[in-house]
Order: sequence, then structure tokens, then C-alpha cells
Amino acid sequence: DVKVTQSSRYLVKRTGEKVFLECVQDMDHENMFWYRQDPGLGLRLIYFSYDVKMKEKGDIPEGYSVSREKKERFSLILESASTNQTSMYLCASRPITGMREKLFFGSGTQLSVL
Amino acid sequence: GENVEQHPSTLSVQEGDSAVIKCTYSDSASNYFPWYKQELGKRPQLIIDIRSNVGEKKDQRIAVTLNKTAKHFSLHITETQPEDSAVYFCAASYRNQGYSTLTFGKGTMLLVSP
Repeated sequence: DVKVTQSSRYLVKRTGEKVFLECVQDMDHENMFWYRQDPGLGLRLIYFSYDVKMKEKGDIPEGYSVSREKKERFSLILESASTNQTSMYLCASRPITGMREKLFFGSGTQLSVL
Repeated sequence: GENVEQHPSTLSVQEGDSAVIKCTYSDSASNYFPWYKQELGKRPQLIIDIRSNVGEKKDQRIAVTLNKTAKHFSLHITETQPEDSAVYFCAASYRNQGYSTLTFGKGTMLLVSP
């Protein structure tokens, strides 16, 4: 089974802090994604990466950056956390061969910014 | 970019009834339409998907239909069971910077009462 692991299930940070959310997948998937999930708004794409050291903006990239130095790890960075970034963050990965379109999600990180 | 509208936002049915969730999309170039199920506190998981060259697909009690002309697709669940209770997300593919990504609908909370 594909495993997508997010380092923290719950995280509480203060406004202005720099926050790192980590995601690791163990199936050698080329593509990785960060979504945020808010009630009534569904899943919105923040950033994605199609390969190592490659990144592209999604639909709501403002206030976020990402890093992908190794194929298995995709980090989401909040340079200066704000209260409107309180949300559930979901990482996902996908191969480029075989089940090319299926997203495998992590279990999520619930971030609260106080 | 792509815009995906999903209705209804909540749906309550009795066990054994059928449930239908509908989605519309805006980008005529979209060619892949998955449905994800998210049980309470768990990660979203793919339950069925359809490509634009197919009008209908079934998998046991669930089916998806696609009308490309009208740009809408629907999820049908027959003989609903309490374990079908979850949030369901539709999605449509679109090209972002030349790469294939997914835009999700806002979700439908399905409640199946025994």
C-alpha cells in the first residue's frame, strides 16, 4: 500500500511564526501536491511539484512556499503564519505511470494559528 | 482555471434509498473526473472515476455518469448503507502550467440513517 505520511496531525502556532509542514511518500511517486481543506470550500490546491526541485503554483499560493529537495519529501512553508491560515492541510502524491491520475492522500495536519 | 460546482452540500437519506450528487465543470478540455470519499477524521480516498470518452461507469453500488455536452457528471449510490455516510468530493482535471491537476468541488455531506 502507498503510504503518504504527514509529520504532525495537530499543530498550534502563533501569528508571525515560520511554520514547516512535512510530507513523505514511500512509493517513488513523481508528483506531489499540497491542498488545504476548509469547511464549505472543499479542497484547494496550494502548490504542486512534478519532480525534484520543481514547483508550480496552484490556485491559492499566496502566503505559502514549498521545497522539494528529495523525491520522497515535499514541504509546505508558511513564512509568517497568519490566523487565516488556520486550516486542515492535506498532502497527496501520484505516480506518472500506472494509476496516473489517482491521488494518494496523507491523513492531514490540522494547523491552528493563534 | 477550472471551476467545479457541486450540489447538494448536504444530503440525508434513509438506508436502502438511492443518493445522487451532481457536479458541473467549466473547462471543456477537462477529460478526467474522479470522485473521492472522506469519512470523518480520515483521508480522502478515490472511489470511482470516469474519463471523457466514456458516458457511464459502474462499480457495484456506485456509478458515475458524464454528459460532456452539458459539462456535468453525477455520482449515483444505490441501496445506501450507514457506512456510506461521508463527505464526497467530485473533481475535474485541468492543465495548470502545462501539467495536469485536479479542481475539486466543495463537497457533499451524505448522511444515511438506519
